Amino acid sequence: QVQLQQWGAGLVKPSETLSLTCAVYGGSFSAYYWSWIRQPPGKGLEWIGEINHSGSTNYNPSLKSRVTISVDTSKKQFSLNLRSVIAADTAVYYCTRGGDGYGASDYWGQGTLVTVSS
Amino acid sequence: DIQMTQSPSSLSASVGDRVTITCRASQSITRYLNWYQQKPGKAPKLLIYAASNLQSGVPSRFSGSGSGTDFTLTISSLQPEDVATYSCQQSFFTPFTFGPGTKVDI
Repeated sequence: QVQLQQWGAGLVKPSETLSLTCAVYGGSFSAYYWSWIRQPPGKGLEWIGEINHSGSTNYNPSLKSRVTISVDTSKKQFSLNLRSVIAADTAVYYCTRGGDGYGASDYWGQGTLVTVSS
Repeated sequence: DIQMTQSPSSLSASVGDRVTITCRASQSITRYLNWYQQKPGKAPKLLIYAASNLQSGVPSRFSGSGSGTDFTLTISSLQPEDVATYSCQQSFFTPFTFGPGTKVDI
């Protein structure tokens, strides 16, 4: 059974860096893309970006200048760094597994509410 | 970016009703369309991938159809546990974009 477990700071000050990590348990790590998706309170879902086991990334252009997604294949973990955060970055952040072929997110982490506030 | 729209934004139906939600893409995405169900305080759950493929473990009352720019999610017989928000997502071009969601109530 595949499980994604994520962690990171729930409160980040404006202009600082949001950092989250997601560990993958079960299943193949190398066969999939791994992504981050966020959801501001009361709003819809926004795709942030994805990475595969070899470090190949795709980012949302709206966040590309501030986002880095990295991978540690030996630990079966991947991470999100979002720099220079503002209040509008307040959201629940999810890590997900991109399913093979069609890119749907078939497994999700539990979500982390990150609040940007001083 | 590919823009995704959904209709209606919300609906209320009775147990046993047939419910249909539509999703439209701003350009052709062939069949790269996925549907998710989200209950309050929970992570989204994949229901349908590639327009019409039922994800493992999802009840057969859920079905999807469409191709190109127009897609439909159907719940054949609405159950109380189906109260949730349903969102479509295109995975044809990055950034993969979501529709705004349809809230389903009983």
